[in-house]
Amino acid sequence: GAVVSQHPSRVICKSGTSVKIECRSLDFQATTMFWYRQFPKKSLMLMATSNEGSKATYEQGVEKDKFLINHASLTLSTLTVTSAHPEDSSFYICSARSRRSGNEGQYFGPGTRLTVT
Amino acid sequence: AQSVTQLDSHVSVSEGTPVLLRCNYSSSYSPSLFWYVQHPNKGLQLLLKYTSAATLVKGINGFEAEFKKSETSFHLTKPSAHMSDAAEYFCVVSPNTGNQFYFGTGTSLTVIP
Repeated sequence: GAVVSQHPSRVICKSGTSVKIECRSLDFQATTMFWYRQFPKKSLMLMATSNEGSKATYEQGVEKDKFLINHASLTLSTLTVTSAHPEDSSFYICSARSRRSGNEGQYFGPGTRLTVT
Repeated sequence: AQSVTQLDSHVSVSEGTPVLLRCNYSSSYSPSLFWYVQHPNKGLQLLLKYTSAATLVKGINGFEAEFKKSETSFHLTKPSAHMSDAAEYFCVVSPNTGNQFYFGTGTSLTVIP
């Protein structure tokens, strides 16, 4: 149980275009979803926290107009990178927390490798 | 305030020898602590977690960790390294009052045949 999927696993886009990444909780309801960014050989950096049905809370330094997060249902959150630039190339990982998991932890998706050319 | 320090950015061991990955934490609250493993270009896999029960926690693949409040440590150990253990390991602290996960900077484990 507690499986989180991400789609796509890899995406290449041209500079200036937008790309959407989906994060789904497959067998539980995710009241909270998190989006992280990971640079090569670095730790995960929390970008934003989203609760179902409300606006995402962004971490300091993360541009909310560039990284649009939507958590429209209890099983789906999306991250849209708008007007992508090469410096947005990174590994994006989502995680989800269920209503019942308390502080048992977050369940992580497999990540999405974004390359902007 | 919460923070995690992984004392070694890189650890190299021979196959069959013990593994020790060190982690110290700082937390204003009684924390939950986790170890995750990440293989190249893969997502994070939970190895084990401490959530205020037994201080010695056993995880998957023969890993275990001991929560030592007096030393604010949560070191990860394994008696005998296997080649498949080569990966990046992250120590994570989460205060019991909230959602936030605070990641350490990671320790890269190399296993020498």
